[in-house]
Amino acid sequence: DQQVKQNSPSLSVQEGRISILNCDYTNSMFDYFLWYKKYPAEGPTFLISISSIKDKNEDGRFTVFLNKSAKHLSLHIVPSQPGDSAVYFCAAPFGSSNTGKLIFGQGTTLQVKP
Amino acid sequence: NAGVMQNPRHLVRRRGQEARLRCSPVKGHSHVYWYRQLPEEGLKFMVYLQKENIIDESGMPKERFSAEFPKEGPSILRIQQVVRGDSAAYFCASSEQDSGNTIYFGEGSWLTVV
Repeated sequence: DQQVKQNSPSLSVQEGRISILNCDYTNSMFDYFLWYKKYPAEGPTFLISISSIKDKNEDGRFTVFLNKSAKHLSLHIVPSQPGDSAVYFCAAPFGSSNTGKLIFGQGTTLQVKP
Repeated sequence: NAGVMQNPRHLVRRRGQEARLRCSPVKGHSHVYWYRQLPEEGLKFMVYLQKENIIDESGMPKERFSAEFPKEGPSILRIQQVVRGDSAAYFCASSEQDSGNTIYFGEGSWLTVV
């Protein structure tokens, strides 16, 4: 049972344009979401997070939007840069609250073309 | 990756041998997590430890896998009698006490079973 889903395995955008990465979840008990970025042969790097009491969180070029009624979140990167090319994972804590026990989506590979 | 150190980075084992993966968390972090990423999949939670305690091992396979986080020294993930299906990237992450859901990953250990 995949409770966090990233249905697009890959995305390609032109440098300078907007990248939109999507994530859907099925468990309405999830109340916090995180995005991680991962380069090949490296560990995931924390990018941005959002609590379910908000519908938007912004950090520089990265903005995460949360639509609780649709159980959907998205990560917007504007403007996209070639260095953003990586795999992006959305994640949500499950089980005990306030721990790093996370369930991850399958990931979306973003390619930003110069 | 916030200073989480994993070694070895790459490990090759023959079927039936033992694999030991080590993780030194960020200095001052008392919570350690192990995740596994199988080829073409997202990260899957395995185990959550605090010093000298296993808090949650619900993601660990029932046999051959064990983990510890001793009072002194790194956390160890041990896989006995490895099989080809154990070939994966194993990521360790750590967090401070009461830091919530954001965890910081190491670079990973890639296990190949031949």
